[in-house]
Amino acid sequence: GAGVSQSPSNKVTEKGKDVELRCDPISGHTALYWYRQRLGQGLEFLIYFQGNSAPDKSGLPSDRFSAERTGESVSTLTIQRTQQEDSAVYLCASSLMNQPQHFGDGTRLSIL
Amino acid sequence: GNSVTQMEGPVTLSEEAFLTINCTYTATGYPSLFWYVQYPGEGLQLLLKATKADDKGSNKGFEATYRKETTSFHLEKGSVQVSDSAVYFCALSDRTGGFKTIFGAGTRLFVKA
Repeated sequence: GAGVSQSPSNKVTEKGKDVELRCDPISGHTALYWYRQRLGQGLEFLIYFQGNSAPDKSGLPSDRFSAERTGESVSTLTIQRTQQEDSAVYLCASSLMNQPQHFGDGTRLSIL
Repeated sequence: GNSVTQMEGPVTLSEEAFLTINCTYTATGYPSLFWYVQYPGEGLQLLLKATKADDKGSNKGFEATYRKETTSFHLEKGSVQVSDSAVYFCALSDRTGGFKTIFGAGTRLFVKA
């Protein structure tokens, strides 16, 4: 499709398990962002990829969180040893440089 | 560093009332400015944008003017509808920030019939 695609749309897992979330950006978009949005809250920046530059990881809340992006394509966000406070919607967005972001529908993560 | 400050919500208005949501920014360069909207149960989408001083972005009856002298980008609508109930996010993107988009905290708007 033409938009940002995220999978899975919903993920329920037990505390302590690892999860991997996927984002397929719009083709040609050099910038890719991951955000976390807790219920009724704003956007919490996690990580920013821009082309071949080193990613801005300043928003990752702990070393349990990591993300990778291969070139200007797919990105995965991995959360290790999940905790209940990790429950949230994880949003991915992509854009051309200095242009508006296009958001995916998010992955709703629930930690039991 | 770059930052965006929005008025705290929630903002509650009656239908057909005038809306203003304040947004001010701090940036060392000449940022592009954006308003995004998130309707209940939906993802974020761009509402409008402005890329240089005195530009006015507009969409769906909403307007915002890029005011460099006051570093502001306030969102306005002359007559709100119940369907405008949503969360509104102000944002900027700037070369000196590596073009990383910075979002405000969001302002929730409730419009009553």
